[in-house]
Amino acid sequence: EAQVTQNPRYLITVTGKKLTVTCSQNMNHEYMSWYRQDPGLGLRQIYYSMNVEVTDKGDVPEGYKVSRKEKRNFPLILESPSPNQTSLYFCASSPPGLAWTDTQYFGPGTRLTVL
Amino acid sequence: GENVEQHPSTLSVQEGDSAVIKCTYSDSASNYFPWYKQELGKGPQLIIDIRSNVGEKKDQRIAVTLNKTAKHFSLHITETQPEDSAVYFCAATRMDSSYKLIFGSGTRLLVRP
Repeated sequence: EAQVTQNPRYLITVTGKKLTVTCSQNMNHEYMSWYRQDPGLGLRQIYYSMNVEVTDKGDVPEGYKVSRKEKRNFPLILESPSPNQTSLYFCASSPPGLAWTDTQYFGPGTRLTVL
Repeated sequence: GENVEQHPSTLSVQEGDSAVIKCTYSDSASNYFPWYKQELGKGPQLIIDIRSNVGEKKDQRIAVTLNKTAKHFSLHITETQPEDSAVYFCAATRMDSSYKLIFGSGTRLLVRP
């Protein structure tokens, strides 16, 4: 089954404790992206990657890091989480070219709470 | 950069009635406008999209219209059903030069049985 998986689905942590949210897709997609969803703000793009070892900032990259060492995985790293990073996070993937938006698959989401 | 505004934030309709959600965008170069439906506990799912070279697109009970001059586009759902209840997001991007998808703030649609 074609899917995007995220782990963990729920996480409660404390300020300053480094964490990683994993994202994996089994569709051999080149494009992957991270979004955060906050009430009243919709989804905002954090980082995206057009291929292995190619990443770029989205609209709200501050406080986040990503890496793309393999095509299937695109982890989101919070080196020193702060309460304003409490949010619902989504990973997405899609094939390259002009179809990158109309075939974008979203993961189930990770709800992160930073105390 | 692009900015997308979406209205209303909440919408309650009686089953069988129509629902309309409107979005405006700021970047006249944007040429692709998808709509996503997000059900509780799930990620967004594309339900319909429109490119800037057409003014309207329909898929069964769902339609999207685009007014490039006014820079706004709308989602129309006819004969609403309880299973249409969800959060709907519009988005905009330039397909040929950007990999950034800019979302609206979302509309929570409630269809009352």
